[in-house]
Amino acid sequence: QVQLVQSGAEVKKPGASVKVSCKASGYSFTTFDINWVRQATGQGLEWMGWMNPYSGGTGYAQKFQGRVTISRNTSINTVYMELSSLTSEDTAVYYCARGHGLAVAGEFDPWGQGTLVTVSS
Amino acid sequence: EIVLTQSPSTLSLSPGERATLSCRASQSVSTNYLAWYQQRPGQAPRLLISGASSRATGIPDRFSGSGSRTDFTLTISRLEPEDFAVYYCHQYDSSPTTFGQGTKLEIK
Repeated sequence: QVQLVQSGAEVKKPGASVKVSCKASGYSFTTFDINWVRQATGQGLEWMGWMNPYSGGTGYAQKFQGRVTISRNTSINTVYMELSSLTSEDTAVYYCARGHGLAVAGEFDPWGQGTLVTVSS
Repeated sequence: EIVLTQSPSTLSLSPGERATLSCRASQSVSTNYLAWYQQRPGQAPRLLISGASSRATGIPDRFSGSGSRTDFTLTISRLEPEDFAVYYCHQYDSSPTTFGQGTKLEIK
């Protein structure tokens, strides 16, 4: 079945960077975009950016421009999201989610299980 | 960007009752590119509805979506105990893609 499996929880100090992975299985990796969405505790969903795993093309929400980098390794069907200059405001669960196709608008399905990133001194 | 406003913020109902959740967009979602997700505590969101009214694979037919342009509705015809969760709408018509703030459906 189609599945996205994310890396485990992280604890980081303010100013550090974090890199979260998302491994895809059950479908052809290069035929669907991967998106990243985060959720602070008790809060709603916030889209961060996307990647086209075929071309490597990316797009980022304006809020995270310059601070987020999405990359991929096609040999292991994995997409990465790296967020730098962390503050306590970045404490959240980070999700990857498959898009509808490549570079086309669409719903997100399925989602990874989420990765908790805690930023604390 | 398109702002999605969900109402009510919290809805208290009993199993067996009908739930009606609203999602209003600040601009027209011209292609009906609107989805609904369910999120249970400690779980990732799960796709229920795409294209405003198309149920995702495996979603029970008690869930239905309707609406167009700026007003969309998710209806759960007869609530089951497992339906009590938080529901989000999501527009993917224009960039950046955006989510509503959620409606919490709680047991009365």
